[in-house]
Amino acid sequence: ELKVEQNPLFLSMQEGKNYTIYCNYSTTSDRLYWYRQDPGKSLESLFVLLSNGAVKQEGRLMASLDTKARLSTLHITAAVHDLSATYFCAVRFRSGSRLTFGEGTQLTVNP
Amino acid sequence: NAGVTQTPKFQVLKTGQSMTLQCAQDMNHEYMSWYRQDPGMGLRLIHYSVGAGITDQGEVPNGYNVSRSTTEDFPLRLLSAAPSQTSVYFCASSYSYQETQYFGPGTRLLVL
Repeated sequence: ELKVEQNPLFLSMQEGKNYTIYCNYSTTSDRLYWYRQDPGKSLESLFVLLSNGAVKQEGRLMASLDTKARLSTLHITAAVHDLSATYFCAVRFRSGSRLTFGEGTQLTVNP
Repeated sequence: NAGVTQTPKFQVLKTGQSMTLQCAQDMNHEYMSWYRQDPGMGLRLIHYSVGAGITDQGEVPNGYNVSRSTTEDFPLRLLSAAPSQTSVYFCASSYSYQETQYFGPGTRLLVL
């Protein structure tokens, strides 16, 4: 079964703190994507991770991929309120062309 | 470029009614897809298309039809609406199935 699991599902953190969101998936993947969604809005692409050991960084967000562990992480450094959103990972499994999404992590950054 | 556009933004239907959700993109993308988003369940793929004239089912295709007569348009048809189809629907497109998908603004559908 093709499964993508994120944890935590809800994350409340203080400004200035660091934290990591985890994305586990069930079988061999071609690519892994991270998206951001603001309340009531559409999804915005953050990162695409293609291979084992891939690391991408944009501002206070850094994503990495470990294909052997079937795990991706999204690390938040020195969080600010503007990062409050729901973050989704999505996996394209090698068996097909579909994209399978995790349940999403709702991040709230408090002043 | 307008990107991915969806109409309508909001719709209320009665059980049993039919309707079509419109999706269009002006980026010459081959791959297009429809998702529904329900609380706590992430996005689930309904149908997708890898090019004009080619469509396939996703995770939750029952109750929905699609067609792809042009590269630009990918409408989603609800044949006989049910309350379980109350959701937010997103259309997305990309150059190929491997590339990052660009999402439309979404359609909020309420079925009474």
